[in-house]
Amino acid sequence: QLQLQESGPGLVKPSETLSLTCTVSGGSISSSSYYWGWIRQPPGKGLEWIGSIYYSGSTYYNPSLKSRVTISVDTSKNQFSLKLSSVTAADTAVYYCARQGVSSRGAFDIWGQGTMVTVSS
Amino acid sequence: QSALTQPASVSGSPGQSITISCTGTSSDVGGYNYVSWYQQHPGKAPKLMIYEVSNRPSGVPDRFSGSKSGNTASLTISGLQAEDEADYYCSSYTSSSVVFGGGTKLTVL
Repeated sequence: QLQLQESGPGLVKPSETLSLTCTVSGGSISSSSYYWGWIRQPPGKGLEWIGSIYYSGSTYYNPSLKSRVTISVDTSKNQFSLKLSSVTAADTAVYYCARQGVSSRGAFDIWGQGTMVTVSS
Repeated sequence: QSALTQPASVSGSPGQSITISCTGTSSDVGGYNYVSWYQQHPGKAPKLMIYEVSNRPSGVPDRFSGSKSGNTASLTISGLQAEDEADYYCSSYTSSSVVFGGGTKLTVL
């Protein structure tokens, strides 16, 4: 069955760029039926959608993060990636990648296990 | 975009029914039939329980149901079970964006 796995550094220094990759296994990222998204959750707090990408490279981002976010896709590796620039302690969170249905916009039906990223010097 | 409004906590006894509300605006909840609900147990990834207001993914018990009236969506859990104790989040599509609610902690007494 389809699985998603996040990977990347667990510790990032303030003002630097956070970079994470989500590897999709058991299925193709090039499906026309899905977007692929990033969601984060600060410790003890709620979920925040960061942005999503289609296999063609089309993206849409959370307006509050748009100036700092870049999401890209590599269909040859069945991966998509997140870059968040100029990070601060407020960006400390568990970052999840997830599959998002095109027809059910906003419904994330398969999630990765999440990866904790701490912003600290 | 502002987060959708959910009660911080709800509780119920085994076998009872509870309802969690999710209030937005005409630009999100009220404007689209793209409301989803997620269940999250401590230390785990969220699990999709309801999509498009009232549809259940395969494998989700029919004790879970969703509805919407105006700018407020609701998740109802009937026949509460101990394993339903978790955090619940709503989300809505809104003009090329997705917004989540603040989350509701469900306690099964």
